[in-house]
Amino acid sequence: KAGVTQTPRYLIKTRGQQVTLSCSPISGHRSVSWYQQTPGQGLQFLFEYFSETQRNKGNFPGRFSGRQFSNSRSEMNVSTLELGDSALYLCASKAQTSGYGYTFGSGTRLTVV
Amino acid sequence: EDQVTQSPEALRLQEGESSSLNCSYTVSGLRGLFWYRQDPGKGPEFLFTLYSAGEEKEKERLKATLTKKESFLHITAPKPEDSATYLCAVPGEGDDKIIFGKGTRLHILP
Repeated sequence: KAGVTQTPRYLIKTRGQQVTLSCSPISGHRSVSWYQQTPGQGLQFLFEYFSETQRNKGNFPGRFSGRQFSNSRSEMNVSTLELGDSALYLCASKAQTSGYGYTFGSGTRLTVV
Repeated sequence: EDQVTQSPEALRLQEGESSSLNCSYTVSGLRGLFWYRQDPGKGPEFLFTLYSAGEEKEKERLKATLTKKESFLHITAPKPEDSATYLCAVPGEGDDKIIFGKGTRLHILP
């Protein structure tokens, strides 16, 4: 059974640019969440999608957005990149509408220069 | 506001030297507490869920316990392959959000 797949694994962008990250959840998983991980702040919740609807959102500026497609694949977009957006972006999926059996991907390492 | 605090930030042990990692939490109503393991360059890997005070769960050399205010991850006779960052987390508001602690970096020396 394939795990959660995130692409690309590494990305280098310049300040002011925008970036799109992709996440393919485990087959059958309909809930997808995104997290930002930095050395200073740790893992912080960005947003969660279920059946193409955003159900929960963390305390991040509007430059961070996401969406989920009908096949449960998800993308997140960061516009007008800042140096502080450099982080590991992690996607997690789960099968049920309740419960906490999240499976995480290996993440996308974004570096903003 | 729900919070999770882990200590110590980092821990170095000799192989076979048992120890415990601490996770203290402040939540309005505990709906579970999770432990994850994270290896460098990888996403967190789920270890345990604990739901009520007094509950214990074990997996190989790891045992997680829960009280009303904190959780411990006990590591018995660790091996170098147990080296990783261990993360504690609780459900946040809205059910599908997880609040993580900053983790304990564990290094087991051979």
